[in-house]
Amino acid sequence: SQTIHQWPATLVQPVGSPLSLECTVEGTSNPNLYWYRQAAGRGLQLLFYSVGIGQISSEVPQNLSASRPQDRQFILSSKKLLLSDSGFYLCAWSGGRVTDTQYFGPGTRLTVL
Amino acid sequence: AQRVTQPEKLLSVFKGAPVELKCNYSYSGSPELFWYVQYSRQRLQLLLRHISRESIKGFTADLNKGETSFHLKKPFAQEEDSAMYYCALNSGGGADGLTFGKGTHLIIQP
Repeated sequence: SQTIHQWPATLVQPVGSPLSLECTVEGTSNPNLYWYRQAAGRGLQLLFYSVGIGQISSEVPQNLSASRPQDRQFILSSKKLLLSDSGFYLCAWSGGRVTDTQYFGPGTRLTVL
Repeated sequence: AQRVTQPEKLLSVFKGAPVELKCNYSYSGSPELFWYVQYSRQRLQLLLRHISRESIKGFTADLNKGETSFHLKKPFAQEEDSAMYYCALNSGGGADGLTFGKGTHLIIQP
């Protein structure tokens, strides 16, 4: 069966420090991968999606970047964190069709101080 | 651009009462609509999608294209239904992600 992992579960980082959040999927090949963020008082916002290795699409301009070095690995990064980067980050995967379910990871709670 | 609106941030009903969580969307094409749920300390997971036309845990949702709505309903609420509910839309781009509403926190009181 397919599983999706995210780590770390929680992270507290100072402003200006770098960030690397990792997401991996098991039990499927060539998934579509997604990064979402939920900031306080807001809904889930799509940040990036990827249809294959090295293919990244960004939905909103921001201080973050994403990479997909392997088929089932999706990384969210920042060179210098801002206070506004605080939030709950969710990784998800799907089979790629518009009717496919998206399966979510457990999330990472990021606090930037 | 697509948009999903869930007007109720918090909805509290008594056990056994009917529940309706509202969802309206804005999209010019033919969207795919979903309801996701997050129970306490669990992952966000799919509850149902309009294309399946199914009932999950007693919940149903009908897509009304005229009113651009996809309200979630259950005739008799149960305490285990307490959770965050998110309405989401896929605009049909295939690889595009979901556009979520801000969510409704449903509390079922005993």
